[in-house]
Amino acid sequence: KQEVTQIPAALSVPEGENLVLNCSFTDSAIYNLQWFRQDPGKGLTSLLLIQSSQREQTSGRLNASLDKSSGRSTLYIAASQPGDSATYLCAVVGRETSGSRLTFGEGTQLTVNP
Amino acid sequence: GAGVSQSPSNKVTEKGKDVELRCDPISGHTALYWYRQSLGQGLEFLIYFQGNSAPDKSGLPSDRFSAERTGGSVSTLTIQRTQQEDSAVYLCASSLFRGGMGSPLHFGNGTRLTVT
Repeated sequence: KQEVTQIPAALSVPEGENLVLNCSFTDSAIYNLQWFRQDPGKGLTSLLLIQSSQREQTSGRLNASLDKSSGRSTLYIAASQPGDSATYLCAVVGRETSGSRLTFGEGTQLTVNP
Repeated sequence: GAGVSQSPSNKVTEKGKDVELRCDPISGHTALYWYRQSLGQGLEFLIYFQGNSAPDKSGLPSDRFSAERTGGSVSTLTIQRTQQEDSAVYLCASSLFRGGMGSPLHFGNGTRLTVT
């Protein structure tokens, strides 16, 4: 059974700092990995999707990498801003379910202080 | 609409009552998912619809839970004889194709269910 773990559970940084969020998964047979952010009381917003054949994806100040063989992904946020404060979740689409579902980690709660 | 719409946004019900939660996916999206998010826990998969295929119901926690998707669009999640442990935020998501095909999921803002 696929399990997804995110470290750290919470992170507080000053504005302007570069930071890395970590995600690990136990079964490397995946179709893709997706990173989301969730603001309080809201649903999830898709940030980046990395296909299993890809190594990384970039969008603005965000860069996500994928090392499928070791079961790891990182989300790099450059020059963090208070508006980046949210919970960040990673999720994998596993081949064991024929791509029918995402398995989520429990998230990293990020606070960027002005 | 521009995004996934869920209603109601909040629902308070008494233990033992039935509730219906509604999800309007993005037009043209063939895949629709229901997830549950409990306080302090991750997202728990409930059910998945893909086009006209039989849904993947393997995540439904008990037979009190059921869902349907009419005309390949609107979906309703029904919880019968609600229990306090059913209290959670119920999230709906849709994607152009199934998640394994590389299309990102778009989530609604959820329905917060409180069973008293």
